[in-house]
Parts: sequence; structure tokens; C-alpha cells
Amino acid sequence: EPEVTQTPSHQVTQMGQEVILRCVPISNHLYFYWYRQILGQKVEFLVSFYNNEISEKSEIFDDQFSVERPDGSNFTLKIRSTKLEDSAMYFCASSESNSRARSNQPQHFGDGTRLSIL
Amino acid sequence: QQPVQSPQAVILREGEDAVINCSSSKALYSVHWYRQKHGEAPVFLMILLKGGEQKGHEKISASFNEKKQQSSLYLTASQLSYSGTYFCGTVAGEMGQNFVFGPGTRLSVLP
Repeated sequence: EPEVTQTPSHQVTQMGQEVILRCVPISNHLYFYWYRQILGQKVEFLVSFYNNEISEKSEIFDDQFSVERPDGSNFTLKIRSTKLEDSAMYFCASSESNSRARSNQPQHFGDGTRLSIL
Repeated sequence: QQPVQSPQAVILREGEDAVINCSSSKALYSVHWYRQKHGEAPVFLMILLKGGEQKGHEKISASFNEKKQQSSLYLTASQLSYSGTYFCGTVAGEMGQNFVFGPGTRLSVLP
């Protein structure tokens, strides 16, 4: 079964540094997402991406964050000037639908990248 | 605005039933249910669209009452493998916007 893959599985970074988290969504999927989960807490939506642009973003997704689809397969989340509170598990997800049916399509999650800011 | 889930946690013996509720103050277009085991990614269970439908997947089923803006997840004859945190995700618009996960319900099934 096709799956979403994320690299690295664990990233340790010094505070203030930039980090790039990478995701390869399922190949025929059209919508891509990034979520954050602080240890022991709920899954928080960051951003959704469709047709090479951001379709929706949350209040968490401020100027510190950016997303990019640099080629036909990768989907990246860049976090600039990392802070201690950015430490969390970051999940990438993708879904199959076109823009009208997004709300009734399941999201398939990758295994996540654990980001530790020191 | 995130949906509310209840209970926050539940402990069951194998074979017992449980109900997890999800409610929103906003009019909903659909409700998603996911299960996350400790240290793993959320896994999709089912989606319910407005229209009051009920869905089932083995011994896990769910209902959606759009008038009450509520959804309930029913786990019958629970198995050890059902343990995990269950999240509902609510969608307020037909275009899938405003998708928000609830805080989760931690389910522990004991032998």
C-alpha cells in the first residue's frame, strides 16, 4: 500500500538555526498538509497546500514557517530561527481529492519527524 | 475553534463497549475519526458527511447528527488493539476548510 514518507525521523537542532523537514506524499494525491504535535498534546493543523500554493493556514503558521514543493515528489516545511517551543513531532499528510471533495477524503499521515530544539 | 471530545480518557476491559463523543459549536459539513497509537502517526478510521449517516468498520462505528453538531464513535466488544488516542476532526465547510482536530480521547483496553 502506498504511504507518505518523512525524513529525517529525528532532527536535533540548535535554537536559532533553520531546519527543513521533508515529506514525500502519496503519488496521486493532490492535497498536502503539515501538522504539529507537542508531546502528549493534540494534533495541530499548520498548513494545507494544493496546486502549488497554500490553500489554508493556521495561526501557528506565521512568518517563521514556509512550505515548498520543490519538485514533483517532495513537500517541505522550513522553520526559520527555531525556538525551544518548536520542539514537537511534525506530521505530513496527503489526501487524494480535488478541491471540491477535500472535506470527505481521508488524510494519510507519515510517521512524523521528531524535532528537538536545544 | 476546536471541537470538544468526551470523555478525556476511558479504561475498558477487553470485550466491553465504549462511546466517544465529539461536538462543535459550528455547523459542520463532515466529521473525521482517527486513531493514534503511542509513538505512531494518526490512522484514518472513517468520515461522516452531513446527512446523519452512520458508518461501520468491523466493530467500530460512528454516527453524525448535523443538527446537534455532534458525532459519536462506538467501539463494541473492544480488543486490546483498540487502545490509543481517538481524535475527531471537524470540517466546517464544503471545501474542506477549517479542518480542526479535537483534543483526543485516550482509550486503554486491559486484558
